Amino acid sequence: SAVISQKPSRDICQRGTSLTIQCQVDSQVTMMFWYRQQPGQSLTLIATANQGSEATYESGFVIDKFPISRPNLTFSTLTVSNMSPEDSSIYLCSVGLDRGNTQYFGPGTRLTVL
Amino acid sequence: GENVEQHPSTLSVQEGDSAVIKCTYSDSASNYFPWYKQELGKRPQLIIDIRSNVGEKKDQRIAVTLNKTAKHFSLHITETQPEDSAVYFCAAILNAGKSTFGDGTTLTVKP
Repeated sequence: SAVISQKPSRDICQRGTSLTIQCQVDSQVTMMFWYRQQPGQSLTLIATANQGSEATYESGFVIDKFPISRPNLTFSTLTVSNMSPEDSSIYLCSVGLDRGNTQYFGPGTRLTVL
Repeated sequence: GENVEQHPSTLSVQEGDSAVIKCTYSDSASNYFPWYKQELGKRPQLIIDIRSNVGEKKDQRIAVTLNKTAKHFSLHITETQPEDSAVYFCAAILNAGKSTFGDGTTLTVKP
């Protein structure tokens, strides 16, 4: 497994602003992912964070709204841009071992947009 | 894309009874099927997984079965305990970690 931390753990933001969430892993991993989990709902994959190249986004998610950085094999950031109340959710990063199949999740960032 | 359906959405059992949660998937190319347990306010935790070339896998009180032909897989928990109460998610992975999750099952184990 891996030890994964996220910052911040929670935040309350005003609409129209942006928030950057950080994800740190205690060992080098090839694959990192970002998910969204709305209250009482399932997990939805936002994108795969690729080291050294652009992230790969899933249908319904775009780079302008959710820019992702992956500067090295232990760190990634997700920015939620121009936020609206609909962006209120828990955002989780995960690391994928075994070619991405075995995933371990970070503790999540609870975002509330007013 | 992949679609995963999970049933039931809620499940209540008496302590000591068994619990079964079922998932179906649509894309026959999916080849890895993990199950996660999420307690209230906590992160999802991987509890068991199965690959497409395996029909059944067991880990103590937890087992998972896979029927590739029918494209469904199930989680079985025996001798349930109150600490098994949580939301359980199934997922199907197509390749390179591209995961689609079911909607979750809220399991309540009554003492």
